[in-house]
Order: sequence, then C-alpha cells, then structure tokens
Amino acid sequence: GQNIDQPTEMTATEGAIVQINCTYQTSGFNGLFWYQQHAGEAPTFLSYNVLDGLEEKGRFSSFLSRSKGYSYLLLKELQMKDSASYLCAVRGRTGGGNKLTFGTGTQLKVEL
Amino acid sequence: EADIYQTPRYLVIGTGKKITLECSQTMGHDKMYWYQQDPGMELHLIHYSYGVNSTEKGDLSSESTVSRIRTEHFPLTLESARPSHTSQYLCASSDRTGGTQETQYFGPGTRLLVL
Repeated sequence: GQNIDQPTEMTATEGAIVQINCTYQTSGFNGLFWYQQHAGEAPTFLSYNVLDGLEEKGRFSSFLSRSKGYSYLLLKELQMKDSASYLCAVRGRTGGGNKLTFGTGTQLKVEL
Repeated sequence: EADIYQTPRYLVIGTGKKITLECSQTMGHDKMYWYQQDPGMELHLIHYSYGVNSTEKGDLSSESTVSRIRTEHFPLTLESARPSHTSQYLCASSDRTGGTQETQYFGPGTRLLVL
C-alpha cells in the first residue's frame, strides 16, 4: 500500500519563505508531484521529482530524497495568493500505470 | 497544459435519480481519470482509462460507472444517486508528451449534492 504524510496546516508571513514537508511509504516509487489547490478549485500542477535533488521553478522549488522517502516544497517571497492547499502525490511502481496517491494536503495561510 | 472541461459545475439532485457527469479534453490525451474529493480530504481515484474502450476501477470503491468510446470524452454515471454520493468529482487527463513525467491535469470539477 501507499501512505503519504503532510502537515495539516501552516501559517507564514507575506514575503517570507516556507517549507512544506511530505513523507511517503510506497510499494515502489516512480515519481512525486506537488499540486496547488485553491478552495473550491481544481488542483494545478506545480512540480515533479523522480531523481534525488532540487528542482527549481521560479519562486517554487521541490526537493526529493528517495532513500528517506521525503520531499519538500519550498515557496519563496510569499504572496497572499499563495494561500491554498498544497498536495503531495506519489506515483507507485513502474507498470502500475500512471496512478497517483495523494496526501490530504497542507493548508497554507499567508498573513500580512 | 491540458484543456479539460467538466459539466455541470454544480448539481443538486434528489435521491434515486440517474446522473451523468461529463468530462472532455481537447489535447488528445490517451489517459483519463476520475477522482472523488470530500472537503479537506485527499483525492481518491475511482476510475481510470488508458485509451478508447479501456476502463478500470480505481483504488476507492465507487457505485459509479464510466465509459470511453471516444478519446476526448470520459463520462461518469450514477444510476441511482444517494446522499452518500455527495462530493466533488474531479476529472484529469495525461499523456506522454513530457516523457515519463505524464503529469495529470485536472478539470474544474463537479460539486454534487444529493438530497
């Protein structure tokens, strides 16, 4: 089976940096995705990691350590519009199709 | 990014009614998915399709059914709606344009309320 853990809620200040952690236990590993979901809206794709290391994309970066079953999403220069839920999703074993298992999401609140 | 559409966006319906939630994508993606998401909870895969005439049940048991007669269209049907079906239903699609990444792109969702 697959198990994904993320903090339920986080609060940060506008302009600051925040790190959202995700740990996972899966039967096989074939990639990890981060999505952003505003309340009442669909998830939108942020980043993808399949090899160890850091992937940077503008204000957003994502890190992966496969040996530790750990990833984080780093958001820099926080803006009010970054207030949303951030979903960690893992794709399991190769050959299992493109099925993703999602965490419950981390609700980020950005304050002035 | 995929252009993926869902209708209706909101639906309030009585118990016992048959409903079909529509999902269409215009990118020619082979793979399509249906997820169910309750407020504050994780997305659960209920159906997926790897191509025309290919459908599989997902990890979460669902009383709904799906069909994939055309590449662009993946409707979900509930033969007899019940209050327990009240939820948000999200459709997604993906392809191999990005190599092995196969990012799933989501439609806007359908919020279903069964009275």
